[in-house]
Amino acid sequence: KNEVEQSPQNLTAQEGEFITINCSYSVGISALHWLQQHPGGGIVSLFMLSSGKKKHGRLIATINIQEKHSSLHITASHPRDSAVYICARNHVGGADGLTFGKGTHLIIQP
Amino acid sequence: DAGVTQSPTHLIKTRGQQVTLRCSPKSGHDTVSWYQQALGQGPQFIFQYYEEEERQRGNFPDRFSGHQFPNYSSELNVNALLLGDSALYLCASTTSGPGETQYFGPGTRLLVL
Repeated sequence: KNEVEQSPQNLTAQEGEFITINCSYSVGISALHWLQQHPGGGIVSLFMLSSGKKKHGRLIATINIQEKHSSLHITASHPRDSAVYICARNHVGGADGLTFGKGTHLIIQP
Repeated sequence: DAGVTQSPTHLIKTRGQQVTLRCSPKSGHDTVSWYQQALGQGPQFIFQYYEEEERQRGNFPDRFSGHQFPNYSSELNVNALLLGDSALYLCASTTSGPGETQYFGPGTRLLVL
């Protein structure tokens, strides 16, 4: 069982829809990361959070430390949001490598 | 600032050969991590280098080794290549300390035939 679980694995939605991607993890963390990967491989860090909520443009990330759960929301989705969204965690006290989920493949249709 | 750079972008090798991949971290970053991403999977942590030493290692065999140079750039070496080593190899850099944002390079796509 992967230590970081994401759902759904695949998501297809229409332009303008509100998107939610979920992430749960099984061990303590120092930080939870949300990343975006486009075809061809490049990974961009979207958020790093250890509590509460962060917002950047149309993207919102929340985390509940007690429930070991995080969500990434996209408001007013657009076809350019189509990508793989990956959740990853640091270990507690961790200046170390990330443990990744398998990613959610999002397609936004016009 | 060029960000994290990796070379080469693509590479084709045959089984049993050895390969060296290179990574230059983002300016000001002193810590480099390497990840392997098989097709359709999330990245898997290989190891992390800080102050020219391997600080932590994931679940990868000794065929995977690395090095960090005084300028913080890093190499990933894989010996005795297997077909299963075909993957996208990602390098990420950060500053030392817990919970810092990692910046990823574009990756090197390795195909082992």
